Amino acid sequence: GAGVSQSPRYKVTKRGQDVTLRCDPISSHATLYWYQQALGQGPEFLTYFNYEAQPDKSGLPSDRFSAERPEGSISTLTIQRTEQRDSAMYRCASSLKEPYNSPLHFGNGTRLTVT
Amino acid sequence: AQSVTQPDIHITVSEGASLELRCNYSYGATPYLFWYVQSPGQGLQLLLKYFSGDTLVQGIKGFEAEFKRSQSSFNLRKPSVHWSDAAEYFCAVGTGNQFYFGTGTSLTVIP
Repeated sequence: GAGVSQSPRYKVTKRGQDVTLRCDPISSHATLYWYQQALGQGPEFLTYFNYEAQPDKSGLPSDRFSAERPEGSISTLTIQRTEQRDSAMYRCASSLKEPYNSPLHFGNGTRLTVT
Repeated sequence: AQSVTQPDIHITVSEGASLELRCNYSYGATPYLFWYVQSPGQGLQLLLKYFSGDTLVQGIKGFEAEFKRSQSSFNLRKPSVHWSDAAEYFCAVGTGNQFYFGTGTSLTVIP
């Protein structure tokens, strides 16, 4: 696609429920990143993919968080048994290639609110 | 460990005035440096990047930034601010397979 697309834009869920967020990157981009951005903070790295491989998931805060990119294009981020502290903006970004000197292109994010 | 510091949480400038947003980084080697802008309800948009070569880089919307190795800084500048520049600005360092972001500087532009 022309840009990085994320859905839904907003998600409100009750504590304890599972949520899945979706990211559709720019079609030519090999790498895909997930970030968590709390209010008033910069984006914090969660995980990244190089095509379907997931070389680094060191930023995932707990085992309740998982991400997939099974065909090397669309990715999902799943949070199980959500907690209020999971409330944040979740941003997806893609870049043309590794390594890091290829700029990130961001989607508009998904605002998650856990009540 | 790598880190990015944006010392100014919030800056207010008058329209037409000059602007400088500060960014300092901590990294052992020559970093890859970026400035992004985030407007309300929008994703982060790349303003400019530094990889190597000329330490003064030009970006979109009339912005520029200067890499100063001796000061570990990559400050963003604009000679004359427009009301539409009001947004949140993030400095970032690219290293390994990760990008590290600062906490952002919120810019208010007053008429």
